[in-house]
Amino acid sequence: NAGVTQTPKFQVLKTGQSMTLQCAQDMNHNSMYWYRQDPGMGLRLIYYSASEGTTDKGEVPNGYNVSRLNKREFSLRLESAAPSQTSVYFCASTQRAANTGELFFGEGSRLTVL
Amino acid sequence: GENVGLHLPTLSVQEGDNSIINCAYSNSASDYFIWYKQESGKGPQFIIDIRSNMDKRQGQRVTVLLNKTVKHLSLQIAATQPGDSAVYFCAEIPAGNMLTFGGGTRLMVKP
Repeated sequence: NAGVTQTPKFQVLKTGQSMTLQCAQDMNHNSMYWYRQDPGMGLRLIYYSASEGTTDKGEVPNGYNVSRLNKREFSLRLESAAPSQTSVYFCASTQRAANTGELFFGEGSRLTVL
Repeated sequence: GENVGLHLPTLSVQEGDNSIINCAYSNSASDYFIWYKQESGKGPQFIIDIRSNMDKRQGQRVTVLLNKTVKHLSLQIAATQPGDSAVYFCAEIPAGNMLTFGGGTRLMVKP
């Protein structure tokens, strides 16, 4: 049982380049989330998807887009990367409603924008 | 939640001692609280939760205490082990809203 799987684990981009972070969960969860974590700080919500077919903005959505491809997969896209988007990105999922707490996290994707 | 910048508060304890990690939450309307553990290079992992109609909840070697009067949450770890070394985050959920993470505390266990 893999849980939540994120790819890639590491990526270096130049300013202005685009990329997509992939996330898949095999727990049949309804809700999926993308967070970013900056050094020494807590996680901040970028976007979430309460159920297949819906997506909503979180606390820090600017510069990002998401796609809930199907129930398993939720991708995060940076159209034109900026150095301020250097961070560790975590995908998470939960079976329960979008505003409850027991999230299952992936191992993170470390992105550096030069 | 609060951001504490580049330097996480750090708690250093001796193996076998009890640990108490504290968290001040910001929203008096929050009715659900969670503690997460994050080991180096990994994603956060759920430890224990508590609803606002309770003031104490116990798990295996962990206890969460909630003081709504002063908006304070604590995580107590009994007989701390080296495997408990990690960053611990509290998170709060105001009714109907999204989970919000605090800034984290680093727990270091000395052998």
